[in-house]
Amino acid sequence: DQQVKQNSPSLSVQEGRISILNCDYTNSMFDYFLWYKKYPAEGPTFLISISSIKDKNEDGRFTVFLNKSAKHLSLHIVPSQPGDSAVYFCAASTLNSGNTPLVFGKGTRLSVIA
Amino acid sequence: DAGITQSPRHKVTETGTPVTLRCHQTENHRYMYWYRQDPGHGLRLIHYSYGVKDTDKGEVSDGYSVSRSKTEDFLLTLESATSSQTSVYFCAISDFTGTGNTIYFGEGSWLTVV
Repeated sequence: DQQVKQNSPSLSVQEGRISILNCDYTNSMFDYFLWYKKYPAEGPTFLISISSIKDKNEDGRFTVFLNKSAKHLSLHIVPSQPGDSAVYFCAASTLNSGNTPLVFGKGTRLSVIA
Repeated sequence: DAGITQSPRHKVTETGTPVTLRCHQTENHRYMYWYRQDPGHGLRLIHYSYGVKDTDKGEVSDGYSVSRSKTEDFLLTLESATSSQTSVYFCAISDFTGTGNTIYFGEGSWLTVV
């Protein structure tokens, strides 16, 4: 049973436009969420995170929004650049239960077209 | 970059042979993880360690064992490799700070079982 779902396997966006990647979770105990970016033949790299006490976290062109009532989070990339083309993984954990391992979604492949 | 080294980076082995993948960290982090990445499955946790000689199973632990005799090294062993274990294996580390479990990945080990 998937606890973290990324329902869009792929997304294509034009350079300069906004990219919105979505993630849903089912476990209401999750209270810490992260996004990772992965290029081919490399390890995933941490991008941005958010805890459940906030509904938005911003870092440059990247913003993560959290809607706890809907158990939904999204990653916004504005403006999108060709170098953003990668697979993006959403992940979740239970902060208040100690260091529980992250649970990952299956990923969304973003293609930014020049 | 997190100080994580995986070896070997690439390996081809025959069905039924034992294989050991090594993860070495220089960050002195308490927690270490082994994930595998497969198309359509995202990142799935195999085993993790929360201290020297302290390990626990992840969601896809069958056919794998781990050992951690030193803080810096975490070994993943396939006792008798099968074709279904052909995958990319990622080691990761974290040091829970109370503000969130952000993990950092190594570069990956590509394993092909023929």
